[in-house]
Amino acid sequence: QVQVQQWGAGLLKPSETLSLNCTVNGGSLSGFFWSWIRQSPAKGLEWIGEMTQSGSTNYNPSLKSRVTISVDTSKNHFSLRLTSVTAADTAVYYCARGSYNYSYGRVWGQGTLVTVSS
Amino acid sequence: EVVLTQSPGTLSLSPGERATLSCRASQSVTGTYLAWYQQKPGQPPRLLIYGTSTRPTGIPDRFSGSGSGTDFTLTISTLEPEDFAVYFCQHYGSSLPYSFGQGTKLEIK
Repeated sequence: QVQVQQWGAGLLKPSETLSLNCTVNGGSLSGFFWSWIRQSPAKGLEWIGEMTQSGSTNYNPSLKSRVTISVDTSKNHFSLRLTSVTAADTAVYYCARGSYNYSYGRVWGQGTLVTVSS
Repeated sequence: EVVLTQSPGTLSLSPGERATLSCRASQSVTGTYLAWYQQKPGQPPRLLIYGTSTRPTGIPDRFSGSGSGTDFTLTISTLEPEDFAVYFCQHYGSSLPYSFGQGTKLEIK
């Protein structure tokens, strides 16, 4: 059974860079759509961005200037970087694997709570 | 940006009853790119429906999705105790950014 596992720093100070990774057990990163999504009480579920099966990326315009989504196939890692974080970036962050064609969340990671506080 | 509005905000029903959840889009959702998720406290969302009406393997057939254009519905035919949770809709596949509804909480009456 495919499982998505994610990890990364959970406590950041304002202006620091958020860095999260995820990997898949029992499956492959390649050939699928992958997404990062975050959830907070204030904004609910918010789509951050995706990497398509061909390796191209799409980002939420509200975050585009600060976000980088990438993949390291040699390590089987899918990554998120978000620069210049503020308290408004405090949320549970999820990575999710989609299908071969679309990036709805077919399999989700367990979530990582990221808190931004001075 | 497509804004998804879910109604009702909270739905109070008893096990054995039928639940009908609505998701309305601010503009037409291209194709059938609408998904539904279930989320329980402390857990990630779980995919119930994609492509408006397709259930992934392992999702019980009491869950069904329908709709087109701007109006979509998730129906749970006969509520089981484990179905009480929060439900979200999401559009994907076109019209970036993809977005989620604010959720409908299904609670036990």
